[in-house]
Amino acid sequence: DTGVSQNPRHKITKRGQNVTFRCDPISEHNRLYWYRQTLGQGPEFLTYFQNEAQLEKSRLLSDRFSAERPKGSFSTLEIQRTEQGDSAMYLCASSFGGRVGEQFFGPGTRLTVL
Amino acid sequence: QKEVEQNSGPLSVPEGAIASLNCTYSDRGSQSFFWYRQYSGKSPELIMSIYSNGDKEDGRFTAQLNKASQYVSLLIRDSQPSDSATYLCAVNIGGDMRFGAGTRLTVKP
Repeated sequence: DTGVSQNPRHKITKRGQNVTFRCDPISEHNRLYWYRQTLGQGPEFLTYFQNEAQLEKSRLLSDRFSAERPKGSFSTLEIQRTEQGDSAMYLCASSFGGRVGEQFFGPGTRLTVL
Repeated sequence: QKEVEQNSGPLSVPEGAIASLNCTYSDRGSQSFFWYRQYSGKSPELIMSIYSNGDKEDGRFTAQLNKASQYVSLLIRDSQPSDSATYLCAVNIGGDMRFGAGTRLTVKP
């Protein structure tokens, strides 16, 4: 399967713990995006990478969130000191070249913070 | 004002009817616009993109763009029960994407 993959698919953690999610984009895609989605809302932009460079990070994003994309391949999203408000679906998407908006989404990681 | 606004619905149409979904955006500099479909419990998938004023047709789907009015719409002709989903309008703003909250469409047999 050459689609976008995300791991884990589900994560339950206790408040205050750190969690890390992984995204593997479609291999030839140079752009990778992270979104957060809560029930009844559209995906909320978190950050994106072009190759290994993190080009933008949402101003609304807490300093507890950090993302990396070493070597321009897979990406990780880490949330430190999780809070109950972090509970959401975390979506990763990738796109190729100038087709910024034509994004392919992974299945997401559902985070539940107890 | 939200960057991308949609009527949250739910919108219900009978099978075979035309479903009309609307979206407005706030950034006049936006150049590219997209419609994504999201089935319950699934991730969004791209169904239409539109970059210039006017209509763009793809099968039963037609996207319409009016940059002067900052308005994008999606028409679904001959609606089928399998079209029942949430439709997300998305706008490319400076390289990243802004999504509306989505309109939930139900097509009744």
